Amino acid sequence: NAGVMQNPRHLVRRRGQEARLRCSPMKGHSHVYWYRQLPEEGLKFMVYLQKENIIDESGMPKERFSAEFPKEGPSILRIQQVVRGDSAAYFCASSPPGGLSYEQYFGPGTRLTVT
Amino acid sequence: KQEVTQIPAALSVPEGENLVLNCSFTDSAIYNLQWFRQDPGKGLTSLLLIQSSQREQTSGRLNASLDKSSGRSTLYIAASQPGDSATYLCAVGPLTGGGNKLTFGTGTQLKVEL
Repeated sequence: NAGVMQNPRHLVRRRGQEARLRCSPMKGHSHVYWYRQLPEEGLKFMVYLQKENIIDESGMPKERFSAEFPKEGPSILRIQQVVRGDSAAYFCASSPPGGLSYEQYFGPGTRLTVT
Repeated sequence: KQEVTQIPAALSVPEGENLVLNCSFTDSAIYNLQWFRQDPGKGLTSLLLIQSSQREQTSGRLNASLDKSSGRSTLYIAASQPGDSATYLCAVGPLTGGGNKLTFGTGTQLKVEL
């Protein structure tokens, strides 16, 4: 059973470009969480999704950021018109359906650098 | 608003020592608490998950305890090894609200020296 997969692992974008980060949860997992780790800071929750639904986006910046988890395919975190302050490591985690008691399994992260 | 603090921020010990990492949280209304390790430039590896109704969990040389009423958890590492060198993170999941969005501490950076 492959773990949580994220790609790309490293992404370089110039200011103003768009960044698309992908996350494939573990097989059988239908809950996806995105977290961001800014340099020298802890991980912060961004958004929680289930298939075709955004359940909690209270940690998402109000502008330029969006996330989706379609019926088929990976979850995508999209950042439009990136700025230097978006440079960070973005982690996705997945957990099985059915309750809050399950562990979250993290992917290796995507390290975004905005130049 | 939940806040999670980890002490110490950094720790250096000789190989073979037993050590304790501390985690405290301000809101005791949690559903669970999870300990992770993070290696430089890598993702997070889950070490132990403690449900709010539990007092401790053990896995190999690791033992995590939870005292929900006082807002504290400890991670005990027995007979430390150089391979244990990493940043250790604790995270709590909320009792209410949808999902299990975790609030993380800033971590304890552990170095185990030969």
